[in-house]
Amino acid sequence: AQTVTQSQPEMSVQEAETVTLSCTYDTSESNYYLFWYKQPPSRQMILVIRQEAYKQQNATENRFSVNFQKAAKSFSLKISDSQLGDTAMYFCAFMRGTGANNLFFGTGTRLTVIP
Amino acid sequence: DTGVSQDPRHKITKRGQNVTFRCDPISEHNRLYWYRQTLGQGPEFLTYFQNEAQLEKSRLLSDRFSAERPKGSFSTLEIQRTEQGDSAMYLCASSASETRAKLFFGSGTQLSVL
Repeated sequence: AQTVTQSQPEMSVQEAETVTLSCTYDTSESNYYLFWYKQPPSRQMILVIRQEAYKQQNATENRFSVNFQKAAKSFSLKISDSQLGDTAMYFCAFMRGTGANNLFFGTGTRLTVIP
Repeated sequence: DTGVSQDPRHKITKRGQNVTFRCDPISEHNRLYWYRQTLGQGPEFLTYFQNEAQLEKSRLLSDRFSAERPKGSFSTLEIQRTEQGDSAMYLCASSASETRAKLFFGSGTQLSVL
């Protein structure tokens, strides 16, 4: 079974500063994907960034980057130059690389960007 | 394309009533997923369709729940004899086979069972 753990229920950051959200996961799979999704008050889940486990290079998307440590089963999200629009729930998620297509989500981290 | 659409946005019902939700995926996407999200939790997988075939069902999908995707386009999720524990946000997502790991979510249907 796959489990995803987010140990920070809430975090806050000053506007323009950098913040890192933590995520660990447990799996026996060797091929898988990891994701960070953002859920603003509108409740729509928005894909922030995706990492394929076979790629050693950490994924980046503009101000968002990840630190993927496969051996440690750790997948943290770094948000640089935080903006007020980054205020949202952030969910870490796991998907097996083959077969099943469902996402396993963590419990989320509520991020507040303070002006 | 306007993305994944879900209807209604909100549904309030009395315990014991049946409810049906609709999801319209992105038109070229052949994969469709249903998830349920309760307050303070991440979404939990319910079921998955590839075209019109329902290929996976979670054990969370009790006998009172049924999902269909009759023509491989839109999908419906029906809950019979609703219970207060069914109160949740029901999320639909879709993806294309070529980019199976890139799911696009709708805005969800918020169900409240009184």
